[in-house]
Amino acid sequence: QVTLKESGPALVRPTQTLTLTCTFSGFSLATTAMRVTWVRQPPGKALEWLARIDWDDDKLYSASLKTRLNVSKETSKNQVVLTMTNMDPDDTATYYCARMVGLAGAIDYWSPGTLVTVSS
Amino acid sequence: DIQMTQSPSSLSASVGDRVTITCRASQSIGSHLNWYQQKPGQAPNLLIFGASNLQSGVPPRFSGSGSGTDFTLTISPLQPEDFATYYCHQTYSAPLTFGQGTKVQI
Repeated sequence: QVTLKESGPALVRPTQTLTLTCTFSGFSLATTAMRVTWVRQPPGKALEWLARIDWDDDKLYSASLKTRLNVSKETSKNQVVLTMTNMDPDDTATYYCARMVGLAGAIDYWSPGTLVTVSS
Repeated sequence: DIQMTQSPSSLSASVGDRVTITCRASQSIGSHLNWYQQKPGQAPNLLIFGASNLQSGVPPRFSGSGSGTDFTLTISPLQPEDFATYYCHQTYSAPLTFGQGTKVQI
């Protein structure tokens, strides 16, 4: 059974760095072709893709957020960490981590999502 | 970056209708296109992967078609539980962009 769960602060001050940890079970990032991705959704708005990390440590980032994002993995702990620097109120959103598989890069399992509010 | 344009942004339909949602890519993405359904307060749910492949457990009233730049998600017949927002997502090249969503309303 595949599950993912994100953990991190619910409230972040402007200019601070957000660190979110995705802890998963039911699969391993040591397995060829496994990937974990991050997606966010501001309240009432569309999904926005943020980043992806692959089994071989290859990484992809959103073009508009590339300078602020970093994704890393702890394979033995079944964890992926996303950091986003210089947080702004416009970064207020529900953040999801998810498993991405196959040639189509389908996201087949999602975390429940965590709302991160950026406010002073 | 590849831009994904969905149309319409919202639509009204009735139970039993045939609904079609279109997603257009700004350049060819082959079949690297997936469709998701999202209900309020929930994470998205995978419906279609690789443009036309039905995800396991998804009812066959959902279907996808297209390749290159033009893609379609069809729901027929529409059921009460299908009222939701639908997103396309290209995974051909980074950044892996989503469409802006299509809200299907009663």
